[in-house]
Amino acid sequence: AQKITQTQPGMFVQEKEAVTLDCTYDTSDPSYGLFWYKQPSSGEMIFLIYQGSYDQQNATEGRYSLNFQKARKSANLVISASQLGDSAMYFCAMRGRNYGGATNKLIFGTGTLLAVQP
Amino acid sequence: DVKVTQSSRYLVKRTGEKVFLECVQDMDHENMFWYRQDPGLGLRLIYFSYDVKMKEKGDIPEGYSVSREKKERFSLILESASTNQTSMYLCASSSPSGRGYNEQFFGPGTRLTVL
Repeated sequence: AQKITQTQPGMFVQEKEAVTLDCTYDTSDPSYGLFWYKQPSSGEMIFLIYQGSYDQQNATEGRYSLNFQKARKSANLVISASQLGDSAMYFCAMRGRNYGGATNKLIFGTGTLLAVQP
Repeated sequence: DVKVTQSSRYLVKRTGEKVFLECVQDMDHENMFWYRQDPGLGLRLIYFSYDVKMKEKGDIPEGYSVSREKKERFSLILESASTNQTSMYLCASSSPSGRGYNEQFFGPGTRLTVL
């Protein structure tokens, strides 16, 4: 069965510092995709970054980067130079070939609540 | 920009009422999804649809039904609301013809309270 695990219910980080949010996954699919979403207190889920299982390089999007370690089945999100506006819930999600197919179904972790302190 | 809208941000209903949650997307996406979000459980898929009048059960369909009569609109129906359906409901859409990784675009959510 496919599963996403986020072991950090909550984290604090000082403004301008970097922070790593952990995500491990379990799948027997050779082809899969990993996503990170941000959910501010307003409630809307915002797509941040994507990593494909066959991608040779770790994904980066501005201050977000994904530390993808395939052998360890981990896909940690790194946020550099944290800002107050980064305070939010962060979700890791996975799409597998068998689970998603053309319909792109995702399974989500339980989330990590990040609080950025001034 | 993709826009997914939901009919209500907050909703309070009584036990036993029939409840309709509406979702509309404006990007001609084929796929639409309904999730519920509960603390400590993340997002769980209730139903999804990959075409008009087509629907498939997700992981927790019990107590819910859906309707997709038009491509842009996907409705979630609680036939007889119960207190354990108090939750945040999120709608999303995606298209397999979009970017290679076909991310889902989410609406703002509806926080439903059943009393």
